[in-house]
Order: sequence, then C-alpha cells, then structure tokens
Amino acid sequence: AQKITQTQPGMFVQEKEAVTLDCTYDTSDQSYGLFWYKQPSSGEMIFLIYQGSYDEQNATEGRYSLNFQKARKSANLVISASQLGDSAMYFCAMRDTIKDDALNFGKGTSLLVTP
Amino acid sequence: NAGVTQTPKFQVLKTGQSMTLQCAQDMNHEYMSWYRQDPGMGLRLIHYSVGAGITDQGEVPNGYNVSRSTTEDFPLRLLSAAPSQTSVYFCASSIPTGPNTEAFFGQGTRLTVV
Repeated sequence: AQKITQTQPGMFVQEKEAVTLDCTYDTSDQSYGLFWYKQPSSGEMIFLIYQGSYDEQNATEGRYSLNFQKARKSANLVISASQLGDSAMYFCAMRDTIKDDALNFGKGTSLLVTP
Repeated sequence: NAGVTQTPKFQVLKTGQSMTLQCAQDMNHEYMSWYRQDPGMGLRLIHYSVGAGITDQGEVPNGYNVSRSTTEDFPLRLLSAAPSQTSVYFCASSIPTGPNTEAFFGQGTRLTVV
C-alpha cells in the first residue's frame, strides 16, 4: 500500500526567504505521480505542482519547485521568496493506482510566513 | 467556469438525522471522489467512482453511501449521522488518464453532528 509522510506539522519562515516542506513516500509502483496542494485558511484545495516518477527534470511552477529524489523516495516542495499569502496548510499526495486514481494524502504541514 | 460545486457549504445535523451532500462538476470528468478532512489527519478517501453506474469504497466508507447516476453528479449520503462524522467534506473530480492528472476540488462542506 502507498503511504505519504509529512514529518513537519508546522513551519515558520520569514518573508522573502525560501522554505522546504518535506514529503517522503512509499510505493511499489514503477509509474506514479506526486502532487502538492495548498489549503489556505479559507479552506479550498489549490493544486500547486506535479512530479511524475519518470520525469527527468524536477518540476517547477513559478516560485514553487519540487526537489524530487527518487532513490530516497522524497518529493520536497521548495517555496522561494516566501510571501505572507503563502501561509497555509500544504499537502503532499500521490495517485493510488489500485483505487483507480484516488489521491493518498499526507497529514499536511502548516506554514506560517512572518513579516 | 463552475468546476466542482458542493452544496451546502455548512450544515448542522442532530445525531440520527440523514442528509445528502451534493457534488456536481461540469468538466465531463469520469472520475469523482469524496474525502473527509479531520484535524491532523489529512484527507481520507470515503468513496469514489470511475464513471456513471460505478462506485467503490475508499479508506473510510462506513456510515456513507454514494451513487453515480450521471457523469456530472456524485452525491454523498449520511443515513444516520453520528458525532464521529463531524468533519469537512471535499468532493473532487479528474480525468483518469494516468498518474499526472490533476484533481479539481470543490469548496468543501463543513458538517457538524451534535
């Protein structure tokens, strides 16, 4: 069975600094996809970035990048130049190929960006 | 663009009452799913559907029923609400074409069972 682990319940970062949110995963699949979602205090789930297991390059989307280390089974989210609006919960997730594309989520990391 | 629409946004139920959480999507997505979010637990899969007429159980299906009569709608039914079902519920949809398909989420329904 797949498992997603986010070991940081809460993180602080100062505005304009970079921050790394950790995510490790466990799967026996050869082909898989990893996602990061942001959940601000308003509650909606916002898709940030995707990394495929066969992608040769680490994914980037604006200020978000994914530090993908396949051998270590980690997919850490890096947010550069943090902004106050980045304060939110962040979830790492993986597609569950047994449950027909459902997402398995980690427990999340709460990020607080301070001025 | 409506995307995934959930109703209601907030609901308070008494123990033993029944209700249906509505979910509709206008993107012609085949795959739809329901999650519940509890503090410190992330999102956990309740039920999912890969197309009209096909549903299956997720990680925490007890106490919930679903049906999928159309591609657009995927309602979640609580037959006899219990305080343990107090949670935030999310509906999601996607095109099941492979591991890289983004899931689109509704705004969530905050349910309190007293």
